[in-house]
Amino acid sequence: NAGVTQTPKFRVLKTGQSMTLLCAQDMNHEYMYWYRQDPGMGLRLIHYSVGEGTTAKGEVPDGYNVSRLKKQNFLLGLESAAPSQTSVYFCASSSIRGNEQFFGPGTRLTVL
Amino acid sequence: KNQVEQSPQSLIILEGKNCTLQCNYTVSPFSNLRWYKQDTGRGPVSLTIMTFSENTKSNGRYTATLDADTKQSSLHITASQLSDSASYICVVSAGGYNKLIFGAGTRLAVHP
Repeated sequence: NAGVTQTPKFRVLKTGQSMTLLCAQDMNHEYMYWYRQDPGMGLRLIHYSVGEGTTAKGEVPDGYNVSRLKKQNFLLGLESAAPSQTSVYFCASSSIRGNEQFFGPGTRLTVL
Repeated sequence: KNQVEQSPQSLIILEGKNCTLQCNYTVSPFSNLRWYKQDTGRGPVSLTIMTFSENTKSNGRYTATLDADTKQSSLHITASQLSDSASYICVVSAGGYNKLIFGAGTRLAVHP
């Protein structure tokens, strides 16, 4: 089992560019999450999904969109990147009981 | 406001020594408290989870304690190893899979 994987691992964007981060899990988990991690702060929830075809806003959703077309994949999109979106992005998944979230290795995004 | 505060922010110890990391929280309602280990450049990995009624839980050389009355938790690492160098994150669940409150973490460096 690969667990939770994320692509790409690193990315540099210019302000205004768009991109999509891909998260995939092979644990048959219902729930998936996108977080961002900034220096000196705890992880903050951007969006989450409780099943295929569903998405919901988290704590810091502005400037991001998500889609869950397949159970195993959760995509995070930035339509018009801003320097404030420079961060490390983590995807996570959990079973329906949600007792433990399993995290991917992260994507380091820099917006110039 | 739900908050999780960790101390110290960073810590350096010599290999073989013990150390204790602290976590104070003001989260309501309280569901459980989890400690994660995050190696540099990797996603967090769960070490322990404790519910309201549990006072202590061990995972090898890691022992977590919980005092629900004072809303404090600690993570004790015994006989530290170089591989213990990482950030340790305290996470409190406010009653739902999408209601995790993350601390900013303690960065531990174990030197030979």
